[in-house]
Amino acid sequence: GENVEQHPSTLSVQEGDSAVIKCTYSDSASNYFPWYKQELGKRPQLIIDIRSNVGEKKDQRIAVTLNKTAKHFSLHITETQPEDSAVYFCAASMSNTGKLIFGQGTTLQVKP
Amino acid sequence: NAGVMQNPRHLVRRRGQEARLRCSPMKGHSHVYWYRQLPEEGLKFMVYLQKENIIDESGMPKERFSAEFPKEGPSILRIQQVVRGDSAAYFCASSPGGTVNEKLFFGSGTQLSVL
Repeated sequence: GENVEQHPSTLSVQEGDSAVIKCTYSDSASNYFPWYKQELGKRPQLIIDIRSNVGEKKDQRIAVTLNKTAKHFSLHITETQPEDSAVYFCAASMSNTGKLIFGQGTTLQVKP
Repeated sequence: NAGVMQNPRHLVRRRGQEARLRCSPMKGHSHVYWYRQLPEEGLKFMVYLQKENIIDESGMPKERFSAEFPKEGPSILRIQQVVRGDSAAYFCASSPGGTVNEKLFFGSGTQLSVL
């Protein structure tokens, strides 16, 4: 079955710097890749997603890139702010199913 | 739109008791998913349901766990004879179905603690 590996497990950056989180997946049939942000004790919230027919997608300070050949995708956060501090999860699935396979999570700390 | 509603937020059970977790999907959503999150881990898929149907239960433990989504009322995740290893956060998510079935919206979760 599908397996998603996420790195790094923890990431600490200075406010204003960029943060990059990387994920790899095993099942070449996967074609939907969302990213979720989870603050302590709260629900995971979808922040951006990408489908396999697109190589890059951007939403303000957040961007996601996908390399289908290498089976990896990355989250890029620019101009980080303290409120970006949270755990970020990548996930993969085949289109039209909510059966997401999640990575292990990255704890991002943005220092003021 | 109240979003995905889960209750209770916190549930404490002693070993051997039953736990019932409830989930009401977002208005207009007919697909419900249950995920389990152990401390400092990612979410693990458990089961996918539509009204009155279990579509995929490949992530459910074979014993003690069951789920339903009746025609009326919330989806229920039921854990019988709970053990300490069942302690986790259980998240429900819903989706509209159709061509955006994978776009999940999560509830606030139920934190189950087994004493």
